[in-house]
Amino acid sequence: KQEVTQIPAALSVPEGENLVLNCSFTDSAIYNLQWFRQDPGKGLTSLLLIQSSQREQTSGRLNASLDKSSGRSTLYIAASQPGDSATYLCAVGGNNDMRFGAGTRLTVKP
Amino acid sequence: GAVVSQHPSWVICKSGTSVKIECRSLDFQATTMFWYRQFPKQSLMLMATSNEGSKATYEQGVEKDKFLINHASLTLSTLTVTSAHPEDSSFYICSALLLYNEQFFGPGTRLTVL
Repeated sequence: KQEVTQIPAALSVPEGENLVLNCSFTDSAIYNLQWFRQDPGKGLTSLLLIQSSQREQTSGRLNASLDKSSGRSTLYIAASQPGDSATYLCAVGGNNDMRFGAGTRLTVKP
Repeated sequence: GAVVSQHPSWVICKSGTSVKIECRSLDFQATTMFWYRQFPKQSLMLMATSNEGSKATYEQGVEKDKFLINHASLTLSTLTVTSAHPEDSSFYICSALLLYNEQFFGPGTRLTVL
């Protein structure tokens, strides 16, 4: 059974810092990996989707990488802003299912 | 991108009553939809996989008689929480499966059972 782990569980940084969120998974036979943002009490906002054949995806200040062989993905956020404060979830897509990590709660202080 | 809606967005009910949550894919057909549950400060947990025209597949530990899932059409799946209890209070999110195993998520339904 696929297990997804996110480190750190919580992160607090000053505004303007570049930061990296980590996601690891136990089964490398994945279809895709997706990073989501979740604001308190709200649903999910998809940030980046990386197919299994891809190594990275970029959107604005966000860059996500995927290394299937080592079971790792990172989400890089450049020049962080207070509006980036949220919980970031990593989800690994298998054959018709998706397994989520517990999330990293990010706080960006002005 | 594809749009998935959920209704209602929030519901408060008395203990012992049943609550139905709808999940609709608005601009595409989805033969497979998923239901997730999220308790406060925890991640999403898959409850069941809903396949159009067949019985849902439940994850271990999820009571199929308590969480009734119906996927009667290619654009609609419903989750009914039967005889709800306070411990069922949670955030329920559905998703619909599109090509290349990409899932699109609904906005979620917050259920509070008094």
